[in-house]
Amino acid sequence: GENVEQHPSTLSVQEGDSAVIKCTYSDSASNYFPWYKQELGKRPQLIIDIRSNVGEKKDQRIAVTLNKTAKHFSLHITETQPEDSAVYFCAAKETSYDKVIFGPGTSLSVIP
Amino acid sequence: DTGVSQDPRHKITKRGQNVTFRCDPISEHNRLYWYRQTLGQGPEFLTYFQNEAQLEKSRLLSDRFSAERPKGSFSTLEIQRTEQGDSAMYLCASSARTGSYEQYFGPGTRLTVT
Repeated sequence: GENVEQHPSTLSVQEGDSAVIKCTYSDSASNYFPWYKQELGKRPQLIIDIRSNVGEKKDQRIAVTLNKTAKHFSLHITETQPEDSAVYFCAAKETSYDKVIFGPGTSLSVIP
Repeated sequence: DTGVSQDPRHKITKRGQNVTFRCDPISEHNRLYWYRQTLGQGPEFLTYFQNEAQLEKSRLLSDRFSAERPKGSFSTLEIQRTEQGDSAMYLCASSARTGSYEQYFGPGTRLTVT
């Protein structure tokens, strides 16, 4: 089955700097890659997603890139703000049914 | 509130007792998922329904766990003979019929087994 790895596990950046989180997946047939943000004590919320027929997607300060050949995808947050502080999870959807496998998470701290 | 809801939000039980959690998905969503999340980890897939059919169940799920979605609407997750290792946040998510893979999560049920 699918396996998703995520790095780094923790990340601290100064407010205004960029943050990059990287993930790898094992199933070359996976076709959907969402990113979720989870604030302390709250439910995971989708912030951006990308399908396998697209190499890059951007939404304001957030962008995701996908390299299908290398089975890598990354989240980029520019001009970070303190409210970006949270745990971020990448995930990959298996082609069988709609099972989504999550990475272990990255705890992002944005220092004012 | 038209989002995914879960009940109860917190449950404390003694080891060996049975517990049941409920999830109400967004009304027009036909897919429903259960996940377990422990501190510092990502949500771990448990099982998945399309309408009332349970299509997949994680190999990690022991026989003590069972889930139902009898009419294709709300779902229940039951844990029998709870163990301390079952302590976790149990999350439910739902997604729409076709064209969208986006999953909307509920607030979760935090289970503590003493």
